[in-house]
Amino acid sequence: AQSVSQHNHHVILSEAASLELGCNYSYGGTVNLFWYVQYPGQHLQLLLKYFSGDPLVKGIKGFEAEFIKSKFSFNLRKPSVQWSDTAEYFCAVNPDNTDKLIFGTGTRLQVFP
Amino acid sequence: EAQVTQNPRYLITVTGKKLTVTCSQNMNHEYMSWYRQDPGLGLRQIYYSMNVEVTDKGDVPEGYKVSRKEKRNFPLILESPSPNQTSLYFCASSFDRYEQYFGPGTRLTVT
Repeated sequence: AQSVSQHNHHVILSEAASLELGCNYSYGGTVNLFWYVQYPGQHLQLLLKYFSGDPLVKGIKGFEAEFIKSKFSFNLRKPSVQWSDTAEYFCAVNPDNTDKLIFGTGTRLQVFP
Repeated sequence: EAQVTQNPRYLITVTGKKLTVTCSQNMNHEYMSWYRQDPGLGLRQIYYSMNVEVTDKGDVPEGYKVSRKEKRNFPLILESPSPNQTSLYFCASSFDRYEQYFGPGTRLTVT
């Protein structure tokens, strides 16, 4: 079955530290990839997306993600986190021949000043 | 303002009492979807709809029904709720199935 794995369930960082959140998926065909963010008490918002082309995509608020096809990965990165980045982050995959959006279990990020 | 609205935002009910959670979007989106969010399980898709009168099952459809009689509305129906349906529910819509706009969520407790 198609699945999305986020191995980091809870990440705690200090401000200015660098961030990398892992995302791996199990699907051999073409995929569209997304990262969503859920700030405390708010609904999910799209952070960035990858459909095709340059595998390094830039999103809002200084986030970026790299698609590595050979590793079935789409890791999220930010060079220097801020307290306001405290949130839950979800990776999502849309296998190109389906109408479904499959989410990972999420990574809770806590950033301390 | 472009938005997805859900009602009610909070609901406590008892086992077996039918309920409906409404979802409405004002962006003329064709694609709408329902998810439930549970700790440690992330978001799981319940049902989705590609257009009016076109719906399909997601990963966890058991115990739920949906309808899409109008483009803007996509209600989620629990005919006989059970405690294992206690969860946080999100409705989402998109122009296609890709960039989804999420509603604020409905926290349902079934006792």
